Parts: sequence; C-alpha cells; structure tokens
Amino acid sequence: EIVLTQSPDFQSVTPKEKVTITCRASQSIGTSLHWYQQKPGQSPKLLIKYASQSISGVPSRFSGSGSGTDFTLTINSLEAEDAAAYYCHQSTSLPNTFGQGTKLEIK
Amino acid sequence: EVQLVESGGGLVKPGGSLRLSCAASGFTFSSFGMTWVRQAPGKGLECVSSISTSSTYIYYADSVKGRFTISRDNAKNSVYLQMNSLRAEDTAVYYCARISTRDRYGDFDYWGQGTLVTVSS
Repeated sequence: EIVLTQSPDFQSVTPKEKVTITCRASQSIGTSLHWYQQKPGQSPKLLIKYASQSISGVPSRFSGSGSGTDFTLTINSLEAEDAAAYYCHQSTSLPNTFGQGTKLEIK
Repeated sequence: EVQLVESGGGLVKPGGSLRLSCAASGFTFSSFGMTWVRQAPGKGLECVSSISTSSTYIYYADSVKGRFTISRDNAKNSVYLQMNSLRAEDTAVYYCARISTRDRYGDFDYWGQGTLVTVSS
C-alpha cells in the first residue's frame, strides 16, 4: 500500500498569505496525485488532478506541482473562503490512498 | 449538471446490514468507474470499494473485504454498496464519487453529499 504523508497537519494563516502544503508518497507514483478541498459539513471537491492539471471552476490561486514522491499544493493570496481541510490522493495503484489531511484555519 | 445522490444510511446494530444507493444523473453513467469513500467522524478519507464500467473490475479495502459488496446497474444509473456484518468501526459518512476513467484508477471528479451510517447498539 502506498502511504501518503501530508505536512503540515494544521496551519493557521492570514488572508493574502501564500500557503504551501506538501504530500510525500512512500514510493514513486509518477503524477497520479490529486488534491481535494473539504469545507466543514461538505463533501470533498477536486481541486487539482494529476499533480498539476487545473480543474474548471477552481480559482487560479490554487496550483499543484511535483512528480515521483514529492508533491505540493500552493494557494496564492489566501482568501477567507479557503478555510478547509485539504487531502492528497494517489491513483497509481490499489488501494487508492489519501493523505491524512491538512486543516487550514484563517486567522 | 452532474449529480450524485446517496441514500440508505441510518442507525444499525452491530452485525446488522444496510444497502446504500447512489443515483447518478447529468452524465453517461455507463462510461465511468464509480467508488465509495467513507469518512469516520473527525477523521480522514478512506476508499472502501470501486467498480469499473461493466463491473469487470472491482476493488475492496481489506477492512471491508468479505462483508461489503459493490454493484452497479447501468440501466438505472445507480451504484450500490451492500454492507453486512457491520461493526462499530464502520460508522462514517459514506460518499459516492465518480472516477474520471472507465476503470478503478483516476481522480474522483464528482462527489455526492454523503449518507451517514451509524453502527451502535
């Protein structure tokens, strides 16, 4: 099973700040890494697919990068509405696995 | 507009059974793999089961293998999760999600609102 480890687990940030969340895979997964946002009381929403591909309707301040074992989700100029949990997910091999999540709090 | 609507959750005693349903609309259901993902209270996401377009390829997490059965009816645009021998640790919100490919591999591009399953005596 491929283990995904996110860091940090929790981050408190101010609006307009730049945020970086990392996801490290226990073995190489190419670019089969996806990012989701889950706001409180809501279902997860796809933010970035295949490491860096943007999703229609997702604000351009969200971007992704990486390949192999190290991946990054970047949020430029954070907005209050970005308060949420963020999860990475790998689809290279079964079982599909998720990172443990990163909770972003807006100060 | 793509919509996924889950139903069938509720309170069940340990050892009991439930059948979850997910009704899909707004896309060609038979062209996409489908998956069930659960989230225990205050916890992260776990992919429980996935099924390919023609039900040829099916995946189960070890935690549910032998107890849960996934199926789909392309004529009814629905995917199901039969859950037997339920345990307290199965308590979670269960989400139905669309896989962006025909198989069990890919991003989960649309999600339902979830249905809560509570296993308790």
